[in-house]
Amino acid sequence: AQSVSQHNHHVILSEAASLELGCNYSYGGTVNLFWYVQYPGQHLQLLLKYFSGDPLVKGIKGFEAEFIKSKFSFNLRKPSVQWSDTAEYFCAVVAGSQGNLIFGKGTKLSVKP
Amino acid sequence: NAGVTQTPKFQVLKTGQSMTLQCAQDMNHNSMYWYRQDPGMGLRLIYYSASEGTTDKGEVPNGYNVSRLNKREFSLRLESAAPSQTSVYFCASSTSGGFLWQFFGPGTRLTVL
Repeated sequence: AQSVSQHNHHVILSEAASLELGCNYSYGGTVNLFWYVQYPGQHLQLLLKYFSGDPLVKGIKGFEAEFIKSKFSFNLRKPSVQWSDTAEYFCAVVAGSQGNLIFGKGTKLSVKP
Repeated sequence: NAGVTQTPKFQVLKTGQSMTLQCAQDMNHNSMYWYRQDPGMGLRLIYYSASEGTTDKGEVPNGYNVSRLNKREFSLRLESAAPSQTSVYFCASSTSGGFLWQFFGPGTRLTVL
């Protein structure tokens, strides 16, 4: 069965620090990759997605992610975080074109002002 | 457009009581989904409906039933609530039968005492 691993459960950063959240998946075929964000008390919003093409994907609010097929990874990055980035971040994968959307357990990001 | 709406936003039940969570979307999407979110578990798929008139089990369907009332509405029913069903429930919709391009509702926070 496919699975998604997010190794960091809680990350605490100061404003202006750089961010990298890890995401690894287990599936050998074609994958579609997503990062969702959930701000406190709100629903999930799509940050960015990768279906094909350029493995470096840019999303909203200055976030980007890089798909490294050889490492089965899709890490999320942001050069300089803001307090407003405090949220929970979920990596998710759809295996092939008809697989379910499988979520990682999430990484809580706390940014100190 | 309201997107995906869910009612109620909060609900407290006693063990054994029943209730129905309502979900509606106004984006003319074919597919709809129900997830539950538990701390440290990410989101897990309960049921989905790839198109009007069809429903399928997801990862954690036990204790739940669903009805795809029409193209817009997809309800989730708990026939006899249990404390293990205390969770936040999210409805989502997407344009196609696959799991890509999902839009999420605001969630229903359910507590079963």
